[in-house]
Amino acid sequence: DAGVTQSPTHLIKTRGQQVTLRCSPISGHKSVSWYQQVLGQGPQFIFQYYEKEERGRGNFPDRFSARQFPNYSSELNVNALLLGDSALYLCASSLGWGNQPQHFGDGTRLSIL
Amino acid sequence: AQTVTQSQPEMSVQEAETVTLSCTYDTSESDYYLFWYKQPPSRQMILVIRQEAYKQQNATENRFSVNFQKAAKSFSLKISDSQLGDAAMYFCAYRSFMDSNYQLIWGAGTKLIIKP
Repeated sequence: DAGVTQSPTHLIKTRGQQVTLRCSPISGHKSVSWYQQVLGQGPQFIFQYYEKEERGRGNFPDRFSARQFPNYSSELNVNALLLGDSALYLCASSLGWGNQPQHFGDGTRLSIL
Repeated sequence: AQTVTQSQPEMSVQEAETVTLSCTYDTSESDYYLFWYKQPPSRQMILVIRQEAYKQQNATENRFSVNFQKAAKSFSLKISDSQLGDAAMYFCAYRSFMDSNYQLIWGAGTKLIIKP
């Protein structure tokens, strides 16, 4: 079975632009979470979706938004990009709610010029 | 709020020897989960081992084992018979059992270097 897939793998944008990152969970997984990992740091939680509803939001500005589609894939949108948004964005999926481990994709490396 | 601290930015070990990575956390909760993840240069986070706080027995997975000290809020990872493929960033993570969003809270990571 395919693992969590993220696209694109690498993206270069300039300040003020908007970006959309995509994530396809493992087949059968209904929960998707997004994390931001700045170079040299641990990941920071951004969003969690379960059954197409937002179930959690981390301490990120409103420029960050996400959604989950009926097929459980997800998009993360970031508007008005800042230099500080440069990071690796990780998507993780899990079967459902509660006590299930999260499986991660390879991430999208976002560079802001 | 919960926090996770990894005090060793970098560790090195000779191939085939044993190394222990440290992790401490702060929480007021009694039920939670603790994890060790490995992140090789390929970037994918790979789950190494998981510990439920209500279990007194330390989790083990082949060459990987943990020393979970709940009272001390300590969760160290021991890697036995280190192999070159173990070289990676290792992250300790916490997840509340009661938190409605079940987010993972991460430490800053420890870079593990394996010397051949």
